[in-house]
Amino acid sequence: KQEVTQIPAALSVPEGENLVLNCSFTDSAIYNLQWFRQDPGKGLTSLLLIQSSQREQTSGRLNASLDKSSGRSTLYIAASQPGDSATYLCAVKTSYDKVIFGPGTSLSVIP
Amino acid sequence: DAGVIQSPRHEVTEMGQEVTLRCKPISGHNSLFWYRQTMMRGLELLIYFNNNVPIDDSGMPEDRFSAKMPNASFSTLKIQPSEPRDSAVYFCASSRGQAPNEKLFFGSGTQLSVL
Repeated sequence: KQEVTQIPAALSVPEGENLVLNCSFTDSAIYNLQWFRQDPGKGLTSLLLIQSSQREQTSGRLNASLDKSSGRSTLYIAASQPGDSATYLCAVKTSYDKVIFGPGTSLSVIP
Repeated sequence: DAGVIQSPRHEVTEMGQEVTLRCKPISGHNSLFWYRQTMMRGLELLIYFNNNVPIDDSGMPEDRFSAKMPNASFSTLKIQPSEPRDSAVYFCASSRGQAPNEKLFFGSGTQLSVL
């Protein structure tokens, strides 16, 4: 059974710092991995998707990497801003349609 | 595109009442998912449909929960009878297909409170 974990559960950093969020999954047989952002009281917004054949994806200040063999992914946020404060969730697609989520990392960027 | 549309945004009901949550996926998307989010258990997949057919309902907690997708543009999640432990945020999500590069798009959720 696929399990997804995220470390740390919460993170507080001063504005301008670079930071890394971690995601681990137990079964390397995945189709893709997605990073999502969730603001309080809102739905989830997809940030980056890495297919199983890819190693990383970049969008602006965000960079996500994938090491399928070790069951790990990282989300790197450069030059953090207060607007980055949110919960970040990773999710793996384990079959044609099934997507399993991690518990999320709550990020606070302090001005 | 308007995105995934869910209704109602908030639902407050009394224990024992029937609750129906609604979802309109993004036009052209053929996969639809129902998730439940709580502080204790995070995001749990309840059921998903492909081309209007339920594929996996193993996440549905018990027989009080049922879901339907009568056509490509509408799905419902029904709880009958509702219980206080069903209180959670229920999300609907859709994707265009089963290819590895297809993203998942979420609605804004329905906040359900069962008193």
